Amino acid sequence: EIVMTQSPATLSVSPGERATLSCRASQSVSSNLAWYQQKPGQAPRLLIYGASTRATGIPARFSGSGSGTEFTLTISSLQSEDFAVYYCQQYNNWPVTFGPGTKVDIK
Amino acid sequence: QVQLVQSGAEVKKPGASVKVSCKASGYTFTSYDINWVRQATGQGLEWMGWMNPNSGNTGYAQKFQGRVTMTRNTSISTAYMELSSLRSEDTAVYYCARGIAAAVWGQGTLVTVSS
Repeated sequence: EIVMTQSPATLSVSPGERATLSCRASQSVSSNLAWYQQKPGQAPRLLIYGASTRATGIPARFSGSGSGTEFTLTISSLQSEDFAVYYCQQYNNWPVTFGPGTKVDIK
Repeated sequence: QVQLVQSGAEVKKPGASVKVSCKASGYTFTSYDINWVRQATGQGLEWMGWMNPNSGNTGYAQKFQGRVTMTRNTSISTAYMELSSLRSEDTAVYYCARGIAAAVWGQGTLVTVSS
């Protein structure tokens, strides 16, 4: 099973600042990596798939990069609605696995 | 619009089974796999398995092998996830999701296992 790790566990950011979230896979997942945003009491929302392709309707301030084992989600200028938990997911190998999440909160 | 609507919350006793439904609308049900993901309170996301609604083929995470069954009724565009031999650790919100990098999710179904 591929183990996904995310860092940091919590990221404190001021509105308008840039946030950089990291995700690492225990072995290569090629570009089969997705990012989700989840707010309390809501289902996850797909932000990025294929490591760098924004899902439909996702603002351009969200961008994904990386391949193999190292991935990054960047939020260029945090808006109030972006404070949430972010998960990465690999779907290259069976079983699909998620990272433990990064909580982005208000500084 | 494209949506997945899940059945309501359940309370079960240890050892019992639960069956959660996921009704698809706004798209051709048989064109996309349905995945099931669960989330215990305050915890992360855990993938349980997938089902191809067209063929009925399934794949389950090893952790749930022998306890989970994913089925469908194509005539009503509904997928089902049944989990048996419930224990307290199975208390969680269970989600269905369309596809593997899922842009469409159900609203979640809280399953509480308590004596």
